Amino acid sequence: EPEVTQTPSHQVTQMGQEVILRCVPISNHLYFYWYRQILGQKVEFLVSFYNNEISEKSEIFDDQFSVERPDGSNFTLKIRSTKLEDSAMYFCASSPDRGPSYEQYFGPGTRLTVT
Amino acid sequence: SQKIEQNSEALNIQEGKTATLTCNYTNYSPAYLQWYRQDPGRGPVFLLLIRENEKEKRKERLKVTFDTTLKQSLFHITASQPADSATYLCALKDSNYQLIWGAGTKLIIKP
Repeated sequence: EPEVTQTPSHQVTQMGQEVILRCVPISNHLYFYWYRQILGQKVEFLVSFYNNEISEKSEIFDDQFSVERPDGSNFTLKIRSTKLEDSAMYFCASSPDRGPSYEQYFGPGTRLTVT
Repeated sequence: SQKIEQNSEALNIQEGKTATLTCNYTNYSPAYLQWYRQDPGRGPVFLLLIRENEKEKRKERLKVTFDTTLKQSLFHITASQPADSATYLCALKDSNYQLIWGAGTKLIIKP
């Protein structure tokens, strides 16, 4: 069964450094998403991406964040200058379409630790 | 803005019994409501979707109800098993198609 994959599974970085989190969505899906989940808290929407551009983004997704689909398979989230509060699990997800009837398929997540 | 409320306290259920989890939302009734399962350190896994014109949806031992008058969805697991222990998340899409999530309810099935 097709699945979303994410690398790395765990990333440790120092405050102020740039990180790139990588995702390979399910191949025939059209919409891609990034979420984050701070330990013990709820899942939070960051950004959705369609047709090589951002479709929606939340207030969390400020200028420090960017997303890219550099080729036909990868979908990346870049954090330019990490802060301690960026420490969280980051989940990538994809869906066939964005309508409310479509479920999203999540990857296993990348645990980002900023020290 | 839309808010979702789920019981923050863990729910302890004896194996074999039915577990019932609650999801309440505050504003407009969404056209669809989704339930996901999340295991520790893992991403959410989609379980069921129910439409506003559906009173009930079933999938194997899972049942979801949707009451737009009460602004509530109930999620039932019948004949519960220890392997059902996880956090269950309720989610719905707002007008911008963003998924809004409840905090989840941790379910513990005791053998």
